[in-house]
Amino acid sequence: AQTVTQSQPEMSVQEAETVTLSCTYDTSESDYYLFWYKQPPSRQMILVIRQEAYKQQNATENRFSVNFQKAAKSFSLKISDSQLGDAAMYFCAYCEGSNYQLIWGAGTKLIIKP
Amino acid sequence: DTEVTQTPKHLVMGMTNKKSLKCEQHMGHRAMYWYKQKAKKPPELMFVYSYEKLSINESVPSRFSPECPNSSLLNLHLHALQPEDSALYLCASSQEGASGLYNEQFFGPGTRLTVL
Repeated sequence: AQTVTQSQPEMSVQEAETVTLSCTYDTSESDYYLFWYKQPPSRQMILVIRQEAYKQQNATENRFSVNFQKAAKSFSLKISDSQLGDAAMYFCAYCEGSNYQLIWGAGTKLIIKP
Repeated sequence: DTEVTQTPKHLVMGMTNKKSLKCEQHMGHRAMYWYKQKAKKPPELMFVYSYEKLSINESVPSRFSPECPNSSLLNLHLHALQPEDSALYLCASSQEGASGLYNEQFFGPGTRLTVL
């Protein structure tokens, strides 16, 4: 069965610095997608970034980028120039190409220190 | 319109009450989902509707009853709930999944349910 592991329950970073959140997954499938979702204290779940497994290029969205290591089954999220508004729970999620179901990691709470 | 709306935002109910949660999207998505989320935990999938038909029921107790009246609306009917059912209930929608298409889910803000 597919699993997603986030080994960092909590991370903290100084405002304006860079932080990397870790995610590993386990699958035998070749067609899948990976996501990072953000859930601020207001509780709205927001998609931060997505990565298609067939793409070798790492996805980037402004200050957010991923390091996708397919062979190592690793999908880390880098946040550059951290801002106070980045404080949230971050969930890594996996989905097979022809499936509806997201497999979620346990989440990492990100704290931004002013 | 890339928004999923949910009503009410907060709901307090007794164990003998009957209430309903509502979810609406106008993105033309054909898959809609109900999730339950406890504090500091990831969402747990409850139900999936695809083209207005229930396609996944994750062994949810019968006191939760989903309904999909049309392609834009999703309801969750609640009856005889238990205090342990208190949680944030999230609705989401996505394009119909098919091999080669990513299944990005758009989430609503949730309904915070408290069962007394």
